[in-house]
Amino acid sequence: AQSVTQLDSQVPVFEEAPVELRCNYSSSVSVYLFWYVQYPNQGLQLLLKYLSGSTLVKGINGFEAEFNKSQTSFHLRKPSVHISDTAEYFCAVSVLYNFNKFYFGSGTKLNVKP
Amino acid sequence: ETGVTQSPTHLIKTRGQQVTLRCSSQSGHNTVSWYQQALGQGPQFIFQYYREEENGRGNFPPRFSGLQFPNYSSELNVNALELDDSALYLCASSQFAPLVRSETQYFGPGTRLLVL
Repeated sequence: AQSVTQLDSQVPVFEEAPVELRCNYSSSVSVYLFWYVQYPNQGLQLLLKYLSGSTLVKGINGFEAEFNKSQTSFHLRKPSVHISDTAEYFCAVSVLYNFNKFYFGSGTKLNVKP
Repeated sequence: ETGVTQSPTHLIKTRGQQVTLRCSSQSGHNTVSWYQQALGQGPQFIFQYYREEENGRGNFPPRFSGLQFPNYSSELNVNALELDDSALYLCASSQFAPLVRSETQYFGPGTRLLVL
């Protein structure tokens, strides 16, 4: 079975400060890894994904994430956040059976303060 | 904008009623998945449709059912609504084929359902 744990339910940070949102996963098979962002009253927008290759992946809006297989982690980072980054962030894993099923974490609310 | 649209945006029903939610997939995508996102939680996989057939299901009872049409649009039907069915329902589309990897799902804005 697969599971995703987002260790922080809320992360407050000041504008222009760096931020790291943590994600750990559990799986008995190989997975693909994703980060999605959800702004208030909206659906999910893809930030970045890791499928294979380089363990450091870059996404939109200046975000990046690093896949660490030994620690089964996929933490999201941004060196300098903006007020507009205030949103909820979801880590997800995907397992390719004969269908494509996503497992999501419970989300981390990023609150960027001026 | 992902090109995935959902209707309606909001809906209020009473317990015991039935509801139908609709989703239009992104152009070129042949697979649609439905997720339930309860307040304060991450999305939970309900089921996935490929070529008009359900080809994967999460831990949801049979009163959650769906359809996929030849144009790849989709419906989610929920019978005998319960209070706990109140949630944001998300539709996601992707391109899938048995020998072609389909890694990414693109989400619509969701339908917020309130059951009273």
